[in-house]
Amino acid sequence: RKEVEQDPGPFNVPEGATVAFNCTYSNSASQSFFWYRQDCRKEPKLLMSVYSSGNEDGRFTAQLNRASQYISLLIRDSKLSDSATYLCVVNEWNTGFQKLVFGTGTRLLVSP
Amino acid sequence: EAGVTQFPSHSVIEKGQTVTLRCDPISGHDNLYWYRRVMGKEIKFLLHFVKESKQDESGMPNNRFLAERTGGTYSTLKVQPAELEDSGVYFCASSQLSTGGVETQYFGPGTRLLVL
Repeated sequence: RKEVEQDPGPFNVPEGATVAFNCTYSNSASQSFFWYRQDCRKEPKLLMSVYSSGNEDGRFTAQLNRASQYISLLIRDSKLSDSATYLCVVNEWNTGFQKLVFGTGTRLLVSP
Repeated sequence: EAGVTQFPSHSVIEKGQTVTLRCDPISGHDNLYWYRRVMGKEIKFLLHFVKESKQDESGMPNNRFLAERTGGTYSTLKVQPAELEDSGVYFCASSQLSTGGVETQYFGPGTRLLVL
């Protein structure tokens, strides 16, 4: 079983749509959680951190459910520029230092 | 401020040859990480430096991989001899030391390695 599981997609949505991605993680000791965005042939870039209380950044909302070991990302009013791969990332603490564990990513295609 | 840089951007070598990848972290970042993405798979952790010391190298595939960070600035990752399964994208990331809080890792553009 993978440590971080995501639906690879692709999710094809029209502009303006709302789309949600989900992710589950297996290590209950994981401490922090992130969504990274990766454009084609580019490096991953931090989109947002994910907190238990939920957090919002403009059109993006992230939620964490520690009991279910489940993370979500909601994108409202999708833009063409949102087309990318969204990586669910879990931060595992190891001897006091951090190590990122990545999901395979969910690909989003926003069409006109 | 300059981001994480990696060199070369692409490398095509034959099986059995040696390749050395370089990473220059963001200035002042003591944490330096190497990750790898093999085609069709997720990005996976290789190792972590704190300054010049290897903190965690549990992700290194085998002893054909050697990472160094002399002087605690840039890092190199050498693959010798390269095998076909070493093909992939090698990412470097850096972050500031954290006293227990969440740190943000900034990624370089990656080196695309193809072993023929």
